[in-house]
Amino acid sequence: SQTIHQWPATLVQPVGSPLSLECTVEGTSNPNLYWYRQAAGRGLQLLFYSVGIGQISSEVPQNLSASRPQDRQFILSSKKLLLSDSGFYLCAWTTGVYYGYTFGSGTRLTVV
Amino acid sequence: QKEVEQDPGPLSVPEGAIVSLNCTYSNSAFQYFMWYRQYSRKGPELLMYTYSSGNKEDGRFTAQVDKSSKYISLFIRDSQPSDSATYLCAMIGGSNYKLTFGKGTLLTVNP
Repeated sequence: SQTIHQWPATLVQPVGSPLSLECTVEGTSNPNLYWYRQAAGRGLQLLFYSVGIGQISSEVPQNLSASRPQDRQFILSSKKLLLSDSGFYLCAWTTGVYYGYTFGSGTRLTVV
Repeated sequence: QKEVEQDPGPLSVPEGAIVSLNCTYSNSAFQYFMWYRQYSRKGPELLMYTYSSGNKEDGRFTAQVDKSSKYISLFIRDSQPSDSATYLCAMIGGSNYKLTFGKGTLLTVNP
């Protein structure tokens, strides 16, 4: 069966520090992968999506970047965190978008 | 006008009540409609998935789609405290292969 792993679950980082969040998918091949951020009262904001290795599309210009070094691995990074980067980060995957996404358990990031 | 509108609530009901959650949309290309449930501090989980206009039932949950009115609903019968969560509608269609989400409705079912 397919599973998605996302870690860490919570993270507290100082302003200006780097960030690396990792997401891996098991039990499927060539998934579409997505990074979302969820802020209170603002819904789900799509940050990046990838339809294949090395293929990254950015939805919102910001302080973050994404990479897909392997077929089932998706990484969200920042060189220098801002206070506004705080939020709940969710990774998701699908092999057929018309059937919805499967989300990971999320990472709650607090930038202090 | 936003592509998907969803009343954020919060909605508070007594246990056993029938709950109605709704979304409207403006993009006629949307063809596939989903409802996600998200418990606090957890990722959203797919609850219901529909394609055509009409009703789809799964246990206590019924998803309804009216494409002519661009309106979708989720009904929860005999609501339970364990149904307390945020419910998000989502939809996709046309050449866009990304889901568009509503902002979510926070539901509390009181015992």
